[in-house]
Amino acid sequence: DTGVSQNPRHKITKRGQNVTFRCDPISEHNRLYWYRQTLGQGPEFLTYFQNEAQLEKSRLLSDRFSAERPKGSFSTLEIQRTEQGDSAMYLCASSNQKVRHDEKLFFGSGTQLSVL
Amino acid sequence: AQKVTQAQTEISVVEKEDVTLDCVYETRDTTYYLFWYKQPPSGELVFLIRRNSFDEQNEISGRYSWNFQKSTSSFNFTITASQVVDSAVYFCALSEPVNYGGATNKLIFGTGTLLAVQP
Repeated sequence: DTGVSQNPRHKITKRGQNVTFRCDPISEHNRLYWYRQTLGQGPEFLTYFQNEAQLEKSRLLSDRFSAERPKGSFSTLEIQRTEQGDSAMYLCASSNQKVRHDEKLFFGSGTQLSVL
Repeated sequence: AQKVTQAQTEISVVEKEDVTLDCVYETRDTTYYLFWYKQPPSGELVFLIRRNSFDEQNEISGRYSWNFQKSTSSFNFTITASQVVDSAVYFCALSEPVNYGGATNKLIFGTGTLLAVQP
């Protein structure tokens, strides 16, 4: 078990381009979360999945953002027509909600996005 | 509305000093969870503790201890005999209300406290 893996670690893109990030959660974890963290701030919730179902999306997630978890394993987060305000660290986390009251979130190291 | 306030932006101590990180939260819910996470320079958030709103007992884990006081809506974190490896950003977080038969991990984080431990 190697923990939550995120790729790429860094992404530099030009404004208007599309980008896609990938997250591989800890195997057997049925819940997967996406958070966004800007400099000097705490992480902000974006969305989460239970298995392949996307159960909730934050109002922070504009229509340019889409997340998928097609087989209930890895997840992708796509940002279309990137804007400079999208520059942030995108964090993925997973947890095993099959174990009742196990609320421990395991985070990945994140993908740092810079939009020029 | 739910909110977490970490008023201390940065703290600098010398190794072996004790240090307390403050956390004040706001919620209208009677059932909730409080968390502390550590974010070292590598960026990965590391879980430290989860506390149920019904359990006000203080907890100690090695050099770490936590003081939960519902009366003042605070959940403070103390590191005893600090070490250089404790240098990191520490986040306090509050969970959304319990649903689906168990607490969710949709967390509301504070802005974090940067702890610098000098040798």
